[in-house]
Amino acid sequence: AQSVTQLGSHVSVSEGALVLLRCNYSSSVPPYLFWYVQYPNQGLQLLLKYTSAATLVKGINGFEAEFKKSETSFHLTKPSAHMSDAAEYFCAVTPGGSSNTGKLIFGQGTTLQVKP
Amino acid sequence: KAGVTQTPRYLIKTRGQQVTLSCSPISGHRSVSWYQQTPGQGLQFLFEYFSETQRNKGNFPGRFSGRQFSNSRSEMNVSTLELGDSALYLCASSLEAASKNIQYFGAGTRLSVL
Repeated sequence: AQSVTQLGSHVSVSEGALVLLRCNYSSSVPPYLFWYVQYPNQGLQLLLKYTSAATLVKGINGFEAEFKKSETSFHLTKPSAHMSDAAEYFCAVTPGGSSNTGKLIFGQGTTLQVKP
Repeated sequence: KAGVTQTPRYLIKTRGQQVTLSCSPISGHRSVSWYQQTPGQGLQFLFEYFSETQRNKGNFPGRFSGRQFSNSRSEMNVSTLELGDSALYLCASSLEAASKNIQYFGAGTRLSVL
């Protein structure tokens, strides 16, 4: 079974400050991990994905995440927050390897607020 | 290339009615998945289709059903609507039904059940 826990349903940062959104996963098989962002009244947009290549993954809009197997974590970071980063962020897991399913298990989401 | 298109964007129904939602995947994508998003339960997997076959199903009652057509377009149906079915229903498509493939999401259909 797989699960995802996002620590902190709301995170507030000042513009220009470091963004850190936490994600821990549980998986009985090596996982693939994803971060998605959702803006109001829109669907989900992929920020980045980990599929067992490099453990430090760079995504769009300056975001990156590091896969740490020992800590079962995949935290999302951005060095300097922009007002446009205000949105809801979701971490998701799916079975790794040659699994033939696209089923994603999502965390509960973290709303990022960016203050001017 | 056009993205994932979901129609309609908004729906209002009353309890007991049924509803059909439509999803057109990105051209060339053969896998379509459906998710329900609510404030209380978050994003939950409904089902996944590949080449007109249901590959996976989430933990939802039988009132929720879906299908996929030969052109990969998909529909989901909810019968005997309940108030708790009010949600944003998201469709996602990917090239194949493989876990490493990126799921591309549509903007969703927001269903309100009165």
